[in-house]
Amino acid sequence: SQTIHQWPATLVQPVGSPLSLECTVEGTSNPNLYWYRQAAGRGLQLLFYSVGIGQISSEVPQNLSASRPQDRQFILSSKKLLLSDSGFYLCAWSGGLRANTGELFFGEGSRLTVL
Amino acid sequence: AQSVTQLGSHVSVSEGALVLLRCNYSSSVPPYLFWYVQYPNQGLQLLLKYTTGATLVKGINGFEAEFKKSETSFHLTKPSAHMSDAAEYFCAVSDQTGGFKTIFGAGTRLFVKA
Repeated sequence: SQTIHQWPATLVQPVGSPLSLECTVEGTSNPNLYWYRQAAGRGLQLLFYSVGIGQISSEVPQNLSASRPQDRQFILSSKKLLLSDSGFYLCAWSGGLRANTGELFFGEGSRLTVL
Repeated sequence: AQSVTQLGSHVSVSEGALVLLRCNYSSSVPPYLFWYVQYPNQGLQLLLKYTTGATLVKGINGFEAEFKKSETSFHLTKPSAHMSDAAEYFCAVSDQTGGFKTIFGAGTRLFVKA
């Protein structure tokens, strides 16, 4: 069966420090991968999505970047965190190409607090 | 462009009462529609989805939703609420192009009173 792992679960970082959140998927190949940010009362905001290694689409201009160095690995990064980067970050995957049913499978989330 | 509107950021029902969470969508192409549930400090879990075919869709935990194209709605219902249903619920829409980008509503938090 497929699983998705996301870490760290909780992170407290000072303003201006770097960030790296990691996500890996097991049990599937060629998935579409996504990073979402969740803010209270605002639902989920799509930050990045990827349909293949090295292919990253950014949905919202911001202080963050994403990379996909391997087929089932997705990394969210920042060089210098801002207070506004605080939030709950969710990684998700869906089937790629013909295997895509539209359903998203989410990790457990990473709560980032920037102080 | 697609969008989703969930009416009511908070809904409170008594245990055993009907649950109705409202969702309206906007899409210029035939949509895929979803309801997800989120428990505190966890990721989202799919409750049910509509892609094509039967417009009344049944999901897990006794939930169901009906796709009404004329009303651009996809409301979520459950005949009898249980305490364990207390969570946040998200309606979502996606298109069928590559990448399957999914747009989420703002969410509705369901409270269940004993």
